[in-house]
Amino acid sequence: QKEVEQNSGPLSVPEGAIASLNCTYSDRGSQSFFWYRQYSGKSPELIMFIYSNGDKEDGRFTAQLNKASQYVSLLIRDSQPSDSATYLCAVDTGVSASKIIFGSGTRLSIRP
Amino acid sequence: DGGITQSPKYLFRKEGQNVTLSCEQNLNHDAMYWYRQDPGQGLRLIYYSQIVNDFQKGDIAEGYSVSREKKESFPLTVTSAQKNPTAFYLCASSIGTGISYEQYFGPGTRLTVT
Repeated sequence: QKEVEQNSGPLSVPEGAIASLNCTYSDRGSQSFFWYRQYSGKSPELIMFIYSNGDKEDGRFTAQLNKASQYVSLLIRDSQPSDSATYLCAVDTGVSASKIIFGSGTRLSIRP
Repeated sequence: DGGITQSPKYLFRKEGQNVTLSCEQNLNHDAMYWYRQDPGQGLRLIYYSQIVNDFQKGDIAEGYSVSREKKESFPLTVTSAQKNPTAFYLCASSIGTGISYEQYFGPGTRLTVT
């Protein structure tokens, strides 16, 4: 069964520091990788997607993909209290178009 | 403004009743999805549709039904056969059906069945 694994946290990071969130996936055929941010009681919001090995930067966010090791990570620089949320990693199934599998999420808490 | 709307935001039903959750999008997206989220859990796929008048079961389709009569609309019916229907239901859409297309979510409907 295809799986996406994340540490549930909570991950506590001081304001201004770098938050590092990790995700591993089981299907070597996966091609597309997504990070969503979900505030409590709200729907997920797409913040990053990455398709190629290496790093992709967007503002304070950097997604890192290593297909050989089957992990994808999200770095948040200069963490702000507003970054406190649950971060969901999502990976395509590698077989069926349109379907992606979500991890259970990592809860991030930025302490002032 | 383009987006995905779900209604209602909160829904309360008695056990044994069917209930239909609405999802509408004006993004001109081809694909639409329904997910269920339980507390502390990730999202689990219920049904998805890649084109009008066609849809496929996801991982937890039992007790649910859908229709896709219009590109913009993808309603979900939670039937009395669903054993544990209380959950947060999320509708999403994507521009296409390729594996590289990201999904965008509506605000969700929180269903409580007692």
